Formats: sequence, C-alpha cells, structure tokens
Amino acid sequence: AQSVSQHNHHVILSEAASLELGCNYSYGGTVNLFWYVQYPGQHLQLLLKYFSGDPLVKGIKGFEAEFIKSKFSFNLRKPSVQWSDTAEYFCALKAAGNKLTFGGGTRVLVKP
Amino acid sequence: SQTIHQWPATLVQPVGSPLSLECTVEGTSNPNLYWYRQAAGRGLQLLFYSVGIGQISSEVPQNLSASRPQDRQFILSSKKLLLSDSGFYLCAWGRRDRVYNEQFFGPGTRLTVL
Repeated sequence: AQSVSQHNHHVILSEAASLELGCNYSYGGTVNLFWYVQYPGQHLQLLLKYFSGDPLVKGIKGFEAEFIKSKFSFNLRKPSVQWSDTAEYFCALKAAGNKLTFGGGTRVLVKP
Repeated sequence: SQTIHQWPATLVQPVGSPLSLECTVEGTSNPNLYWYRQAAGRGLQLLFYSVGIGQISSEVPQNLSASRPQDRQFILSSKKLLLSDSGFYLCAWGRRDRVYNEQFFGPGTRLTVL
C-alpha cells in the first residue's frame, strides 16, 4: 500500500524567508503527485501537480515542487514567502486507481 | 464551471444520535465522489469513494456509511454517532477521465459529537 510522509508538522518563518516543505512517498510504481493548500477558513485547493515530464513543476502563487524519483520525494518550495502564505499544506499521491493518499499536513505560519 | 456544496457547515450532535451529511456537485456529470475526514496532524483520511450511482467503496471500517442516490449527490450517514466521529468531513469530486487525476474539494462540515 502507498503512503505519504510530511516530516515537518509546523513551520514558522518570517516574510521574505525561503520555504521548503518535505514530502516523501512509498510506492514502487508510477505515481502522480500533488500539493494542496488550505488557507484559513477556505476550501482545500490544488497548488500544483506532477503527472509526467519535467520533474520541476511550477504552481500558483510562486510555488514549485521537484519530483526526485530516486529519493521518492516531491518537496515544495517558495523562494520568498508572504504573510498570505500562512496555511496548511498537504502532499498527496495517486498510485493505482482513483484514490489520493494524503500526508499528515504541514502548518506554515508566516510572521509579518 | 463546476462547484461542490456541502451542508451543514457545522453540526453539534449528541452521542447516539443519527447523522446525515450531504454533498452535491454541479457542472459536471459522472464524477467520482469521495468522503474524507480531516484530523489535526493526521492529514486527510479517505473514508468512502464512489464511481457511480449506488456504487460505494469503503476504505476503513467504522461507524459511518455512505450512499449515492443520484449521480451528483453523495451522503455520509451514521445510525448512532460516537465521540470518535467528531472531526472535519470533506467531500471531493474528480473526473472519470484518467488524465485528470486531481480532486476538487468542498468547504467541509465540522462535526462535534458531545
């Protein structure tokens, strides 16, 4: 069975700092990978996704993620965060079938 | 465009009472539908998914059940709520087409069982 691990549960940083959130998965076959974000009081929404091709994926709001197959990782990055990036971030994996497996989430607090 | 609705937004229920949460999708046909529970620090746990009317797959054994009486309606139910059923319940839909594997989430229902 597949699994997703997000090792950082809470991250606190200041505006303009760089952000990197780790995501590792366990599955031996072809995967699709996603990062979702949940801003306070809002729906869970898609930030970016990887299906195939270029392993460096760019998403909305200046976020990007890199798929490293050899490391089973799909880390999320943003070079300079803003206060509005305060949210909870979820990594998700789609392996076989139509189901997503989510990581435990990382709460990010950006101090103004 | 597609939209997904959930109601109620919040619910407080006593232990042992029944539950019915509703989810409807607009603007698409034949969606895959999903129920998740979100617990703090534990991410989203898939509870049920459905690929068509009357077709329900359960992912974890629990006190809950799901039904899909119409193509774009997905209901989460319980006959007798437990304290452990408290949580944030999210409904999601996805396209049947294999190319599009992302899921779109509703606003969620916050359930508190007392």
